[in-house]
Amino acid sequence: KNEVEQSPQNLTAQEGEFITINCSYSVGISALHWLQQHPGGGIVSLFMLSSGKKKHGRLIATINIQEKHSSLHITASHPRDSAVYICAVRDMEYGNKLVFGAGTILRVKS
Amino acid sequence: NAGVMQNPRHLVRRRGQEARLRCSPMKGHSHVYWYRQLPEEGLKFMVYLQKENIIDESGMPKERFSAEFPKEGPSILRIQQVVRGDSAAYFCASSPGQGASPLHFGNGTRLTVT
Repeated sequence: KNEVEQSPQNLTAQEGEFITINCSYSVGISALHWLQQHPGGGIVSLFMLSSGKKKHGRLIATINIQEKHSSLHITASHPRDSAVYICAVRDMEYGNKLVFGAGTILRVKS
Repeated sequence: NAGVMQNPRHLVRRRGQEARLRCSPMKGHSHVYWYRQLPEEGLKFMVYLQKENIIDESGMPKERFSAEFPKEGPSILRIQQVVRGDSAAYFCASSPGQGASPLHFGNGTRLTVT
């Protein structure tokens, strides 16, 4: 079993829809990161969370430490949001390493 | 304030050659991490360095791979005698501290071994 599980693996949405991507993890963590990667592109760090909720523009990230679960929400989705979204956790036992989920491929159609 | 700079963006090497990948962290960041993304696979940790020290290299293949972060200059990931299986995207990230510190990623180096 992977330490970090993301769902769904693939997601197609219509422009304007509200999108949720989920991340569950099985280890104790010091922080959780949400990352965005465009095809052939670099990686952009969207959020780093250790508790609660963060908002940046149309993006919202939440984390429930007790349930070991995080969600990334995109409101009013747009075709430019099409990318791979990756959840990564800092494993407390191995504090220097990020453990990555497999990613969610999002496609937003106009 | 420039972000994390990686070069080259694309690197083509023949089997048996050496590949050198460079990473200049963000100004003020003394912690550097290297990650590898194999085709159709997720990102995997390779090595964590601070200036002049390798802190954790548990994700590095035991042979042919080495990394350094000298007092002056960029961090270097070196792959000797490359093989086709080394073809991947290699990403560098930097942070101001360890643990739960924000990470900033470079655009990656895409290595193709022919």
